[in-house]
Amino acid sequence: EAGVTQFPSHSVIEKGQTVTLRCDPISGHDNLYWYRRVMGKEIKFLLHFVKESKQDESGMPNNRFLAERTGGTYSTLKVQPAELEDSGVYFCASSPGGDSPLHFGNGTRLTVT
Amino acid sequence: SQQGEEDPQALSIQEGENATMNCSYKTSINNLQWYRQNSGRGLVHLILIRSNEREKHSGRLRVTLDTSKKSSSLLITASRAADTASYFCATRDPGAGSYQLTFGKGTKLSVIP
Repeated sequence: EAGVTQFPSHSVIEKGQTVTLRCDPISGHDNLYWYRRVMGKEIKFLLHFVKESKQDESGMPNNRFLAERTGGTYSTLKVQPAELEDSGVYFCASSPGGDSPLHFGNGTRLTVT
Repeated sequence: SQQGEEDPQALSIQEGENATMNCSYKTSINNLQWYRQNSGRGLVHLILIRSNEREKHSGRLRVTLDTSKKSSSLLITASRAADTASYFCATRDPGAGSYQLTFGKGTKLSVIP
């Protein structure tokens, strides 16, 4: 079974530019999550999809962040325009649901200069 | 302290020794989970303990949960160099709108061969 894959693994952009991160969950997992770890801080929840619907987006920091999951398969997280404080590692995770453990991707390390 | 805060922040031991990491949290929980993260990789689920359980074992891992003290511990017995990683506890708040996990900052474990 293929795991959760994220692309790109690293991204370096300038302040004001746009970046789109992609996550391919494990096939058949209806639940998809985005988390972020800013340097030296906790891993923070961003949002949760159930299939193509946003179940909970309470962790999204502001309206510069837009997540989509068209068709309920892969998801994208767009940051537009990027700010310096957006730098960090963005993790995607998927699960079948309920109390099933989350399966994480390797993350995308975003650096905004 | 932060929800899901681990202690110590860093731990260095010799191969073969036991490693104990602690986690404290602030709110009521449905369950508490431990994850491991190897450098540059995603988080890997280790073990889940429900709020009505007090102890759980999985291989060389032993997890305890004390809901009265809002704390948990992860014991790794007979440590190996391959156990070198960061370890995170994560809690699920039953009051949360979705299945979002709250992570701590993690304990960085170094096992010296």
